[in-house]
Amino acid sequence: QKEVEQNSGPLSVPEGAIASLNCTYSDRVSQSFFWYRQYSGKSPELIMSIYSNGDKEDGRFTAQLNKASQYVSLLIRDSQPSDSATYLCAVSAIGSGNTGKLIFGQGTTLQVKP
Amino acid sequence: DADVTQTPRNRITKTGKRIMLECSQTKGHDRMYWYRQDPGLGLRLIYYSFDVKDINKGEISDGYSVSRQAQAKFSLSLESAIPNQTALYFCATSDPSSSGGFLSSYNEQFFGPGTRLTVL
Repeated sequence: QKEVEQNSGPLSVPEGAIASLNCTYSDRVSQSFFWYRQYSGKSPELIMSIYSNGDKEDGRFTAQLNKASQYVSLLIRDSQPSDSATYLCAVSAIGSGNTGKLIFGQGTTLQVKP
Repeated sequence: DADVTQTPRNRITKTGKRIMLECSQTKGHDRMYWYRQDPGLGLRLIYYSFDVKDINKGEISDGYSVSRQAQAKFSLSLESAIPNQTALYFCATSDPSSSGGFLSSYNEQFFGPGTRLTVL
């Protein structure tokens, strides 16, 4: 079982819709969760971080964390064509102490159609 | 100016050649990381460094070596490049003290622009 799993997609949504991206992780004691956006050929860009159960909102983005279910999601409201990218879920490595090591999922490709 | 820079941005080399990829940062972060990204395999950690004197292997360190010349500089070397090292390479930095002040694994990582390496 992969440590961080994402559906590779592509996830296709119409412009203006809500895009929902999901991520599951295998280790129950993970503490930190991140969403990165990566445009083709570019570097990952941090867009959200979440550490506690519940929702965290930043503009059109909402991260949701459920540690009991080992599930983290990213909602993008009012999706725009410029949101078309690959979204990477990252989880702090287990047993890493304070190393800051992250484990990345393979990413979900989002396509927002005008 | 970019906070994390990588040189070169693109490199084509031949099998057996020694290659060095360089990373510099102006963020003042202590921790630096090298990743490679391959289609379908995601980002994989090659090496990471807590400070100049602390370097650690990641999950795929075979065939690679690193040097932390200063807090701001972290270089990745391929001693004898082979075709399956063709990939996109990213440097990243983090600093736990910048993430809410907690000394925990709350480490947001910030990536450089990447180096596209092709080994023929």
